[in-house]
Amino acid sequence: GENVEQHPSTLSVQEGDSAVIKCTYSDSASNYFPWYKQELGKGPQLIIDIRSNVGEKKDQRIAVTLNKTAKHFSLHITETQPEDSAVYFCAAIRVTGRRALTFGSGTRLQVQP
Amino acid sequence: GAGVSQSPRYKVAKRGQDVALRCDPISGHVSLFWYQQALGQGPEFLTYFQNEAQLDKSGLPSDRFFAERPEGSVSTLKIQRTQQEDSAVYLCASSLERARRNTEAFFGQGTRLTVV
Repeated sequence: GENVEQHPSTLSVQEGDSAVIKCTYSDSASNYFPWYKQELGKGPQLIIDIRSNVGEKKDQRIAVTLNKTAKHFSLHITETQPEDSAVYFCAAIRVTGRRALTFGSGTRLQVQP
Repeated sequence: GAGVSQSPRYKVAKRGQDVALRCDPISGHVSLFWYQQALGQGPEFLTYFQNEAQLDKSGLPSDRFFAERPEGSVSTLKIQRTQQEDSAVYLCASSLERARRNTEAFFGQGTRLTVV
C-alpha cells in the first residue's frame, strides 16, 4: 500500500519568514496530493491540493510543488503569520483502487511573532 | 449546517463498554470516510462508504469495530467492548466524488474517545 513520509516533525520560524514542509510517497499510481491544516481541537482543513498532471500550484502565500519522478511534493508558506501556527498534514491518494487518503505524520509549525 | 457534523464531541467510556459515534455528512455527498487519529499522528483510514454501500473496511482494526450508513446519509461507527488502545480522535469526512475524480474531502471536528 501507499506510504507517505513527512519532514520535519516540528518547524519554528519567525513571523515573515518562509516555511517549507516536504513529503515523499511510495505508490507511483497516486495522483492527488492534498495538504491539510489542523488547529487544536478541530478537524483537518484542506488548504491546497495538486494533481499529478501539474508541477506547481500557488494560492496567495501558499504553494505546492510536485516531482512525480522523485515521488515527492512540498508545501511552501511565504510571509508566515502567527495564525499559520498549526499542524500540517500531507496526503496522497490514487484515482483507482483504494479510495482513502494516506496521511503523513504531520508537521507542527510554530510562527514566532 | 453546511459542514460535516460529528457527535458527541467527547466520549469517556469505561473499558468493556460499547460506544456509538455519529457522523452527519454534507448533504449530497456520495462518499463518507472514517479515520482514526492517535495523539500526535496523522489520521489513519478505517472504512469508506459510497452511498449506503460499505466498499472498503480494510482499515478497521478488529471485529469490535463496525460501521453503517443505512440510508446513504448519516453514518454510525460502533466500537464494542472498548479497550484502552481505542482511545483516539475519530474523524469523519465526506466528499462529492464525481466520475471517479478525487474531490476535496471535508472533515468534521471529530469525536475524542477516551477509554478508562
